Formats: sequence, C-alpha cells, structure tokens
Amino acid sequence: AQSVTQLDSQVPVFEEAPVELRCNYSSSVSVYLFWYVQYPNQGLQLLLKYLSGSTLVESINGFEAEFNKSQTSFHLRKPSVHISDTAEYFCAVSGNFGNEKLTFGTGTRLTIIP
Amino acid sequence: ETGVTQTPRHLVMGMTNKKSLKCEQHLGHNAMYWYKQSAKKPLELMFVYNFKEQTENNSVPSRFSPECPNSSHLFLHLHTLQPEDSALYLCASSQEGPGIPFNYGYTFGSGTRLTVV
Repeated sequence: AQSVTQLDSQVPVFEEAPVELRCNYSSSVSVYLFWYVQYPNQGLQLLLKYLSGSTLVESINGFEAEFNKSQTSFHLRKPSVHISDTAEYFCAVSGNFGNEKLTFGTGTRLTIIP
Repeated sequence: ETGVTQTPRHLVMGMTNKKSLKCEQHLGHNAMYWYKQSAKKPLELMFVYNFKEQTENNSVPSRFSPECPNSSHLFLHLHTLQPEDSALYLCASSQEGPGIPFNYGYTFGSGTRLTVV
C-alpha cells in the first residue's frame, strides 16, 4: 500500500514569485506519481505525471516536479506564479504495475496574492 | 469538458429523501470510480467498477448504493443520508486491464456538490 503526505494545507504566494508545493510518499514498491489541480467549482485535472525516465517532468503551464527516490518526494514548483494558478493541488501515487489504484494526499490550497 | 460528465452539479436533499447522482464518460474507458471529497480530508475512494463489475467497496455505508449498467454510465443512489455525508462527490474513469499499464491517471468529472439538510 502507498500513502502520500502534503504537509502544507495552504500556501499564499505573491504574484510572479516562485512557489514549491511539497509532496512525500511512502511505498514498498516502485511507483508512479501524479499532480492533479482542482480549480474552484471543478473536478480534478491531471497536471503532470512521473512514470519512468527523466526524474524532472513538466506541465504545459510552467509547473515542474522532480522525482527524488532517495527522499521519496515529488515536489511541485513554478518559478513565477499567476493569479490563474489559484487552485487546490493534489499529489497522488500508485504502484507501477497493472490495476493499481491512486492514493491521494490531502491537497494544498495555493492562493496567489496580487 | 473533460469527457466525464456528472449531473446534477448541485444537490440539496433532506435526510429522508432518495436521490441519484449520474456519471457518464465518453472516453471508451472500462473502469469507473466514485470518490468523496470532504474539506481537510484526502479524497476517499468509495467504489470501483471494472467492465461493469464492482471490484471495490471501501466500507461505504449501505445508504450509498452504486449502479453501473454499462461501461459508460455510473450512478450513485442515495437514501436516508446524514448531514456528515455533505461533500463533493467525484466520478472518475480510466482504462485498465491485463497488459494495459496504469500510466495515464484518471479523468475526473466536475463533481456533484451534495448538501444534506
């Protein structure tokens, strides 16, 4: 079984400042890792994922996350945030063989301050 | 539109009412899920269906009754709910099966905001 810890429930950041949302996981097997974003009054949307290969993965809107196996982390970063990035961000993990279910963290609410 | 449609978007019901939530996916996926999202808590997986068969029930109270008539439709029937059942109910779908690696994550609907009064 896997578990995910998102230590920060809320992160306020000034517009155009950098941000890091932390995610740590635990698992006895190799994993896939995901970040989902939930905008107000909407469902979850896949932001980016790590499956294999390069440990640094990027999204189309400027976010990136780095898989660090030794620290069991998958932190999400963006060098310069915008008002439109205001949302809740969920880290998720699954085992990397078939029919594994996603386990989600409790989410981090990112608030951008103008 | 993500390809997973949930109706209604909002629902207010009394504790003695019976209502149903509907989820429809147009992605050709063979697995569908119900999640409950409450404030300050992780997403709670409620039910999983693979090829219309229920494969997981995470100790969900019997006042929640799922139905999956085909791979594209999923319902959650509600009766005699409690105020603590108020939450956002999310439906998701994915493509899974032998030889198909689980590497694309889930596609979620926009959810139904349920308020039990």
